Amino acid sequence: ELKVEQNPLFLSMQEGKNYTIYCNYSTTSDRLYWYRQDPGKSLESLFVLLSNGAVKQEGRLMASLDTKARLSTLHITAAVHDLSATYFCAVDILSGNTPLVFGKGTRLSVIA
Amino acid sequence: DTEVTQTPKHLVMGMTNKKSLKCEQHMGHRAMYWYKQKAKKPPELMFVYSYEKLSINESVPSRFSPECPNSSLLNLHLHALQPEDSALYLCASSQFTGTASYEQYFGPGTRLTVT
Repeated sequence: ELKVEQNPLFLSMQEGKNYTIYCNYSTTSDRLYWYRQDPGKSLESLFVLLSNGAVKQEGRLMASLDTKARLSTLHITAAVHDLSATYFCAVDILSGNTPLVFGKGTRLSVIA
Repeated sequence: DTEVTQTPKHLVMGMTNKKSLKCEQHMGHRAMYWYKQKAKKPPELMFVYSYEKLSINESVPSRFSPECPNSSLLNLHLHALQPEDSALYLCASSQFTGTASYEQYFGPGTRLTVT
């Protein structure tokens, strides 16, 4: 059974600081996703990581994937208040129609 | 068009009502999904349709009844719901070749409140 663990689950950080969110998964996966969700809103796709060593960056967010360690990281650089949201990682397997398995989410609050 | 649309955006219903949620996509995707999300929790998969056939039902109570009338539409019929069914209901779609599925695209969701 595919399991996904995120940590931390809650993160309060000051503006301008850097931090990393971690996502571990239990079995071989073909794809890893990072989503952002604002309160009461749907999921916004941030990154799709497909291969070992993949690194993607968008603005102050950078995601990476290490398939051997079954670990993805979401790094936040020089945080700003607008990044406050809940971030989910999720994994799935290419074959068949297997469900997307989500981590519990990291609730990020960026404070001045 | 890379959008999944959902209607209504908000729905308030009594426990004896019957209502339906609607989801539509025009990306040619052949897999469509319903998720339920409670506050401060990750989305939970409810149903998956592949080529208009129900392929996964995650032991969802029968008061939720999915329907896929064609390749672009997905409905969720609601009847005799309980207050604990109040949640955000998300629809998603993805390409599906019959053996492999691809990235899911999520709709904006329907916020359901059961009174």
